[in-house]
Amino acid sequence: GNSVTQMEGPVTLSEEAFLTINCTYTATGYPSLFWYVQYPGEGLQLLLKATKADDKGSNKGFEATYRKETTSFHLEKGSVQVSDSAVYFCALNKWNDYKLSFGAGTTVTVRA
Amino acid sequence: SAVISQKPSRDICQRGTSLTIQCQVDSQVTMMFWYRQQPGQSLTLIATANQGSEATYESGFVIDKFPISRPNLTFSTLTVSNMSPEDSSIYLCSVEGSGTNEKLFFGSGTQLSVL
Repeated sequence: GNSVTQMEGPVTLSEEAFLTINCTYTATGYPSLFWYVQYPGEGLQLLLKATKADDKGSNKGFEATYRKETTSFHLEKGSVQVSDSAVYFCALNKWNDYKLSFGAGTTVTVRA
Repeated sequence: SAVISQKPSRDICQRGTSLTIQCQVDSQVTMMFWYRQQPGQSLTLIATANQGSEATYESGFVIDKFPISRPNLTFSTLTVSNMSPEDSSIYLCSVEGSGTNEKLFFGSGTQLSVL
């Protein structure tokens, strides 16, 4: 079945530091890959997505590249801000399936 | 994007009681989903609620424990029945995005604590 393994947190960074959150997956076929973000007190929001190999999703300075050869979708941001403090979830689904399989989530705290 | 209102945002309940969580969407959607996020764990899909038919439950979840209603295309409820402390979780309503099957929108969740 489909599964997502996500780097464990919590992660604490200083402002302007580089952030990487690792995500690897196991899936049959060709899944779509997502990063969701959950800011304190809010619901999950789609941060970025990629639907096929070598696609790069990007949003709000975050990037992730769909690497089929390493079954990975690592999230990166070059210079984090305090407002990036949140829980980040890696997820996948099959192209014709609404069901999402989520990673465990990584809590990121950015200090000024 | 869809705007999802979920109520209550949090509740503290006694063992053996039931709680009904409401999910209201500002647009008509075919499919609505209920997820559970247990403390320190990932989100797990409980069931898919389609209007006009019974909900489809995932492995490990049953209708007697988590009855779901879907009376129309903008509303759904999830009831957590005969609660125990193990039911303490965040429960999230989610709906499909329009125009694509790859995007889901989530409500802000219901934080449930069972004593």
